[in-house]
Amino acid sequence: DTGVSQNPRHKITKRGQNVTFRCDPISEHNRLYWYRQTLGQGPEFLTYFQNEAQLEKSRLLSDRFSAERPKGSFSTLEIQRTEQGDSAMYLCASSLALGVETQYFGPGTRLLVL
Amino acid sequence: DAKTTQPNSMESNEEEPVHLPCNHSTISGTDYIHWYRQLPSQGPEYVIHGLTSNVNNRMASLAIAEDRKSSTLILHRATLRDAAVYYCILRVAGANSKLTFGKGITLSVRP
Repeated sequence: DTGVSQNPRHKITKRGQNVTFRCDPISEHNRLYWYRQTLGQGPEFLTYFQNEAQLEKSRLLSDRFSAERPKGSFSTLEIQRTEQGDSAMYLCASSLALGVETQYFGPGTRLLVL
Repeated sequence: DAKTTQPNSMESNEEEPVHLPCNHSTISGTDYIHWYRQLPSQGPEYVIHGLTSNVNNRMASLAIAEDRKSSTLILHRATLRDAAVYYCILRVAGANSKLTFGKGITLSVRP
């Protein structure tokens, strides 16, 4: 399977703990995006990378959130000191920065903060 | 990104055509119209996009009004697997790559 993969698929944690999610994009894609989706809502943009450079961050991305994409390959999204309001589906997408780019999404990581 | 307006939900019968409307009265000349859909418990997937002319692909057709203030996604023969949330999104090619999703329209398909 050469699609976007995300791990873990599910994560349950206690408030105050740190969590880290991983996204492996389609191999030749140079752009990688993180979105967050809560129940009944569409996904909301968090941040994106072109190669290893983080080019845009949403105001939703508080200082407890950090994302990296070392060497322009996989990416990690870390949430420090989790809060119950962080409970959501975290989606990763990748694309080629070419023309009218199509984003390809992974299956997401569902986070539940107790 | 310019805003789109979609009905909350729509029902269809299996094997019948489905027309999903989207209004985007503030669309600018450089905005492309994209449609993505999200099946239950999955990430969104690309369906189709267009600028001015109607577009067809293996999944669907996109009909764009002459003034570009509205568009319609057409599924020619709905199947149970087409039950999903469909998002209509405006996007400028090139810069500002992120997708701005609304709530989308939830399509239910009756057997």
